[in-house]
Amino acid sequence: AQKITQTQPGMFVQEKEAVTLDCTYDTSDPSYGLFWYKQPSSGEMIFLIYQGSYDQQNATEGRYSLNFQKARKSANLVISASQLGDSAMYFCAMREVTGGFKTIFGAGTRLFVKA
Amino acid sequence: DSGVTQTPKHLITATGQRVTLRCSPRSGDLSVYWYQQSLDQGLQFLIHYYNGEERAKGNILERFSAQQFPDLHSELNLSSLELGDSALYFCASSLSHGAGAGEQYFGPGTRLTVT
Repeated sequence: AQKITQTQPGMFVQEKEAVTLDCTYDTSDPSYGLFWYKQPSSGEMIFLIYQGSYDQQNATEGRYSLNFQKARKSANLVISASQLGDSAMYFCAMREVTGGFKTIFGAGTRLFVKA
Repeated sequence: DSGVTQTPKHLITATGQRVTLRCSPRSGDLSVYWYQQSLDQGLQFLIHYYNGEERAKGNILERFSAQQFPDLHSELNLSSLELGDSALYFCASSLSHGAGAGEQYFGPGTRLTVT
């Protein structure tokens, strides 16, 4: 079964607007970590934001925030005030205790920011 | 620059050959992770080492092996290479190793082409 689901293969957003990238996950572990990474066309993987399963507050890092809804098992990434440089592939990932802390990545969402 | 280094950046080799990919984690990080990114399989977790010990295994083929040395650098050995092994291989590092270990920082990757 899919552990991490990103249902949006591609998305467009107008520059300066906010955009939400969806991510749902599946785990029975009470302890897990959720991550978002950005992969520009140059290929490197850039860490954006982290949310622990026990964290009470949603994580924020600059223009990035993670909308963590534990009961719904969703961890959506919100990018505020989109910039042209935000055009990239975005991956949601989860690390759980079961199976020895493997990190599982979703299929990714390609974001296009329009001028 | 994440602080994680990988060598070589590009590698072209023939089927049946053996190659070694090298990774140096960020200063102070004890965990090293290896990932394979291909067009058809996406980002796949291969293996995780913490302070020299194997901690988790993912979708790593028997033809592949890895180790982490006392100075914490890691090597991924790929043998009897097949065309399907062509991919981008990432190394990542983090300070600790649990589900809530926080972010993993990725190296620039090694692009392996098997001809």
